[in-house]
Amino acid sequence: KAGVTQTPRYLIKTRGQQVTLSCSPISGHRSVSWYQQTPGQGLQFLFEYFSETQRNKGNFPGRFSGRQFSNSRSEMNVSTLELGDSALYLCASSPQGEPQYFGPGTRLLVL
Amino acid sequence: AQSVTQLGSHVSVSEGALVLLRCNYSSSVPPYLFWYVQYPNQGLQLLLKYTSAATLVKGINGFEAEFKKSETSFHLTKPSAHMSDAAEYFCAVSVPFNDYKLSFGAGTTVTVRA
Repeated sequence: KAGVTQTPRYLIKTRGQQVTLSCSPISGHRSVSWYQQTPGQGLQFLFEYFSETQRNKGNFPGRFSGRQFSNSRSEMNVSTLELGDSALYLCASSPQGEPQYFGPGTRLLVL
Repeated sequence: AQSVTQLGSHVSVSEGALVLLRCNYSSSVPPYLFWYVQYPNQGLQLLLKYTSAATLVKGINGFEAEFKKSETSFHLTKPSAHMSDAAEYFCAVSVPFNDYKLSFGAGTTVTVRA
């Protein structure tokens, strides 16, 4: 069974640009969560989707948004990038609830 | 709100020695608890999870953890460290069927000495 896949793996952007990251969950999993990992703040919850509905959102500004498609694939978007958005963005999937299986992450560098 | 505290940001052990990583949690309701491992430039791999069944949970790669409600702890152990165990380890807590998120500890980096 294929694991969680994330694309792209690495990304370099400049301040003010926007970025879209993609996550494909394990087949059959309907819950997708996103986390941001930075050296200073650690692992922080961004949002969780189940069957195309956002069930929970973390304490991030409105520049961070996401969506889930009918095939459970998910995207997250960050608009008006700031230097502090440089991080490893991790996607996780599970059949229904608490995330269990994480992808390799997308490393975003904002210059 | 739930939270976890990992005691010790760095742990150094000799190859073959016991690995003990400490995690204490805070939760107003019976929690689910998880341990993850992260190797450099990789995502998180689930080692084991506690979901209110057996209090002693066995995971992959020879790791196990014991849920102790009286001590609000979920410490991770491995009897004999291997060089491949060098990585960062995260303890996490969630409230079952509630907010569908994990709250992570700050992580513990394990170094294994030959």
